[in-house]
Amino acid sequence: ELKVEQNPLFLSMQEGKNYTIYCNYSTTSDRLYWYRQDPGKSLESLFVLLSNGAVKQEGRLMASLDTKARLSTLHITAAVHDLSATYFCAVDMGHDKIIFGKGTRLHILP
Amino acid sequence: EPEVTQTPSHQVTQMGQEVILRCVPISNHLYFYWYRQILGQKVEFLVSFYNNEISEKSEIFDDQFSVERPDGSNFTLKIRSTKLEDSAMYFCASSAFSGQSIVSNQPQHFGDGTRLSIL
Repeated sequence: ELKVEQNPLFLSMQEGKNYTIYCNYSTTSDRLYWYRQDPGKSLESLFVLLSNGAVKQEGRLMASLDTKARLSTLHITAAVHDLSATYFCAVDMGHDKIIFGKGTRLHILP
Repeated sequence: EPEVTQTPSHQVTQMGQEVILRCVPISNHLYFYWYRQILGQKVEFLVSFYNNEISEKSEIFDDQFSVERPDGSNFTLKIRSTKLEDSAMYFCASSAFSGQSIVSNQPQHFGDGTRLSIL
């Protein structure tokens, strides 16, 4: 069974700082998703990463995928309070089955 | 922008009762999914559905669960005899392409969820 591990699970950081969330997974996959969830809300798609070496950026967020290392990262640059949310990585294990990590609860202090 | 809609937003049901959660996927999407999220925990895959058949299901999706696409627009999740541990947020999602499609860089689109509370 595929395991998806995120770390850290909780992150409190100051505005203006940079940080990285890590997502490791245990079996081969060529497709990985990052989602954002605000408290009590649905999941908002941030990135779809399709291949080894894929890098995508949107605003202060940048995601990358290393399929050989089975590792994805979500990097936050110069954090702002609006980025406070829970961030999930999710790995496609085939046959339309997606396994989510436990999520990283990000709290950005003003 | 088209979106996935779910009803009701909150359902309260007595233990042992049947419950049906409803979803209207995005209209040109072909692949449909149900997930659940117990409060404060991770999102768990339940089932995927394509061409009027289940494509994949998880261990959670036992005989108490069933899915149906009764018409061209709705996609439902039925729990036959609810248990206390079924209390969770249930999310429906849809996508235009299979996750296996090499041409797809599209994610699954999620609805706002139905909060199911079992008393």
